[in-house]
Amino acid sequence: DAKTTQPPSMDCAEGRAANLPCNHSTISGNEYVYWYRQIHSQGPQYIIHGLKNNETNEMASLIITEDRKSSTLILPHATLRDTAVYYCIVRVASNNLFFGTGTRLTVIP
Amino acid sequence: DVKVTQSSRYLVKRTGEKVFLECVQDMDHENMFWYRQDPGLGLRLIYFSYDVKMKEKGDIPEGYSVSREKKERFSLILESASTNQTSMYLCASSSSAGSHEKLFFGSGTQLSVL
Repeated sequence: DAKTTQPPSMDCAEGRAANLPCNHSTISGNEYVYWYRQIHSQGPQYIIHGLKNNETNEMASLIITEDRKSSTLILPHATLRDTAVYYCIVRVASNNLFFGTGTRLTVIP
Repeated sequence: DVKVTQSSRYLVKRTGEKVFLECVQDMDHENMFWYRQDPGLGLRLIYFSYDVKMKEKGDIPEGYSVSREKKERFSLILESASTNQTSMYLCASSSSAGSHEKLFFGSGTQLSVL
């Protein structure tokens, strides 16, 4: 399975867009990119997933580069409640997701 | 909304004790999972199950077993607890409707083995 690399931490001002990068240079053609987040003292929460096209839902947008070697999760207007650890996961299917250490996003008032 | 309920939020046990961690989901999901989460290591999959009475080993099954007697309930068993099993344990469930179904997690059980 492809390995992902994420920065350990990031800050974002409240109300601004938070752009969380993820590198997955060894991704194979049938592997999807999943994003989850974990707010303190809670279990992880699904955000979004995609294969090669950009995706958007009510929580976030996922931008995947054309070569699929990296992606960016965008929270368009970050709030204090978006402070969490964000996990980028690459996998063929969602039944055995490997969560690494993720990016700790802190939204600053 | 899906609810995944773990029986205890905090648990303290002694070395050598048999420990049961219980997880119940209320959305008729076929798939259930047990992860452990440790600082610096992220979440690691222990066991999962696709159906009643079925189980599959995850990445770190050693020292654990599981039981799935009913569809809604998935139990993690530590036959003889050891201090290196002190961890946050997270249960999750998902539907089998497609290959990319969302995982829904419980709030976790913080287990301390003394």
